[in-house]
Amino acid sequence: EVVLTQSPGTLSLSPGERASLSCRASQSVSRSYLAWYQQKPGQAPRPLMYGASNRATGIPDRFSGSGSGTDFTLTISRLEPEDFAVYYCQHYGRALWTFGQGTKVEIK
Amino acid sequence: QQLLQESGPGLVKPSETLSLTCFVTGASISSSSYFWGWIRQAPGMGLEWIGSVYFSGTTYYNPSLTSRVTLSVDKSDNHFSLSLTSVTAADTAVYYCARWVGSSDVFDIWGQGTVVTVS
Repeated sequence: EVVLTQSPGTLSLSPGERASLSCRASQSVSRSYLAWYQQKPGQAPRPLMYGASNRATGIPDRFSGSGSGTDFTLTISRLEPEDFAVYYCQHYGRALWTFGQGTKVEIK
Repeated sequence: QQLLQESGPGLVKPSETLSLTCFVTGASISSSSYFWGWIRQAPGMGLEWIGSVYFSGTTYYNPSLTSRVTLSVDKSDNHFSLSLTSVTAADTAVYYCARWVGSSDVFDIWGQGTVVTVS
């Protein structure tokens, strides 16, 4: 079973700054099966990225994803007020779906 | 418009069975393109995948829950269901249903979530 570890746990940044969120897998995984979600308080998660680097429908291009093997990164180039939220990475493989524990991006 | 809506009791007694249904509109649960999943989130915690079911009835479960979980689909009524037995306070959570798209390998549509308290 793949374990996903996200870091940092909390990222304190100001609007306009760049955010880099890490997701590390316990073993090498196919980037095709690595996704990212955003969750705001009281809301369901919404998909941001799939296949590690493909933006989901309606996601602005300030969001980008990269990585391969065991190390993946979600980057927000310039934080907008609506981007302050919790972000989860997620992997699918061998009929198992797993989530990382999340990174909270908060306003500094 | 494609929507998922969870339905079920908000309060379950310890040791009893939690039963939830997810009604799907705007998409066919019989499509071979999707898995249908349940994910939960305990208060203040992260997301935990519970299980996924295919239209054929094929199921996959989180190993930590497999002894207590059963998922099923109802193609005639376009919904799928979750049953979790022998619940404890640790099962208190927001329960989400979601659609997994095989072509992009992502949960692309989520229900709004339903709060279930075990007490």
